[in-house]
Amino acid sequence: GQQLNQSPQSMFIQEGEDVSMNCTSSSIFNTWLWYKQDPGEGPVLLIALYKAGELTSNGRLTAQFGITRKDSFLNISASIPSDVGIYFCAGGPNNAGNMLTFGGGTRLMVKP
Amino acid sequence: GAGVSQSPSNKVTEKGKDVELRCDPISGHTALYWYRQSLGQGLEFLIYFQGNSAPDKSGLPSDRFSAERTGGSVSTLTIQRTQQEDSAVYLCASSLSGGGWETQYFGPGTRLLVL
Repeated sequence: GQQLNQSPQSMFIQEGEDVSMNCTSSSIFNTWLWYKQDPGEGPVLLIALYKAGELTSNGRLTAQFGITRKDSFLNISASIPSDVGIYFCAGGPNNAGNMLTFGGGTRLMVKP
Repeated sequence: GAGVSQSPSNKVTEKGKDVELRCDPISGHTALYWYRQSLGQGLEFLIYFQGNSAPDKSGLPSDRFSAERTGGSVSTLTIQRTQQEDSAVYLCASSLSGGGWETQYFGPGTRLLVL
């Protein structure tokens, strides 16, 4: 089946540092989504990307839809303790179906 | 308005017992999804309901897993003869009409522990 490779698997950073994570796939996706999951909660959508090359910001978050449609990255600037959580990328749809395919997640830990 | 709700929040059961997990989607959302999240892992798709169409069951890991959606709203995921490897967080999501480009809104999940 389709797979999204998300990296890094985990990050432990100092408050105030910038963060970068990415997802790559061997398949083309027409949509890239980034979700954040707080401990004990369900994932919440952060940013949605619908066009190759698109660069979108949401506060301190910036995400880009790769021009090849096979990758995406998420940057967080000036991290704060509440950024702690698991960040998931998701791709969809493509010719293989309508379902979202999720990456394995990046676990972010921020040291005050 | 109200988001996706799931019950119970936590469920502890003994190996071999059956369990039922409930999901109430956002009102008016015609698409409903079930995912499984094992400890420290990503989201594994289980099943997808879209309106009155036959559900996409391609992600169900075995015939012990089944799901229903009554009246196009509430859904129940049933796991029969639970095994220890079924322990995970079961997440439900809904979206407006089911297009893959749509935002899926997740519930808080049910944490299942099989002893």
